[in-house]
Amino acid sequence: GENVEQHPSTLSVQEGDSAVIKCTYSDSASNYFPWYKQELGKRPQLIIDIRSNVGEKKDQRIAVTLNKTAKHFSLHITETQPEDSAVYFCAASPGLTGGGNKLTFGTGTQLKVEL
Amino acid sequence: DAGITQSPRHKVTETGTPVTLRCHQTENHRYMYWYRQDPGHGLRLIHYSYGVKDTDKGEVSDGYSVSRSKTEDFLLTLESATSSQTSVYFCAISPPRGPRGTQYFGPGTRLLVL
Repeated sequence: GENVEQHPSTLSVQEGDSAVIKCTYSDSASNYFPWYKQELGKRPQLIIDIRSNVGEKKDQRIAVTLNKTAKHFSLHITETQPEDSAVYFCAASPGLTGGGNKLTFGTGTQLKVEL
Repeated sequence: DAGITQSPRHKVTETGTPVTLRCHQTENHRYMYWYRQDPGHGLRLIHYSYGVKDTDKGEVSDGYSVSRSKTEDFLLTLESATSSQTSVYFCAISPPRGPRGTQYFGPGTRLLVL
């Protein structure tokens, strides 16, 4: 089955700096890569996703890049703010089939944005 | 919030007792999923459903069963709870509209097995 590795497990940045979180996956059939943000005691919230036919996607201060050859994808947050402090999860899946869309998650990155 | 609710939100139970968690959705989504979240493991898929009475196992299904007798409800049962099943349980759905396969999560159920 799919295996997703995520690094680093913790990341501390100064407000205004950029943050980068990296994930690798093992299954070449994976073609859907979402990122979730989870604040303490809350549910994971989808913040951005990318599909294998796209190499990069941006949404304001957040961007995701995908390198299918190397099987890795990354989350980039620019101009970080204190409210960006949370745990971020990457995930991978082969996409929606008749049986659903089974996501395999990384183990998470605790991002702390310091004033 | 994609119209997902989970009940109960918190539960404390004893080892060996059966426990049923409920996921309820109001928007007629076909696909529903149960995950557990533990420190150091991220979210792991327990079971999922692709329609009424259509379910299948995920990555960590041992000790769990599910049922879906109607579209809006997906039940997760711990047949005989163990301390290793202490966790936070999240239900998720994939809506028919929007990017296919995108998943949205319910608020979670925090379960403590003593």
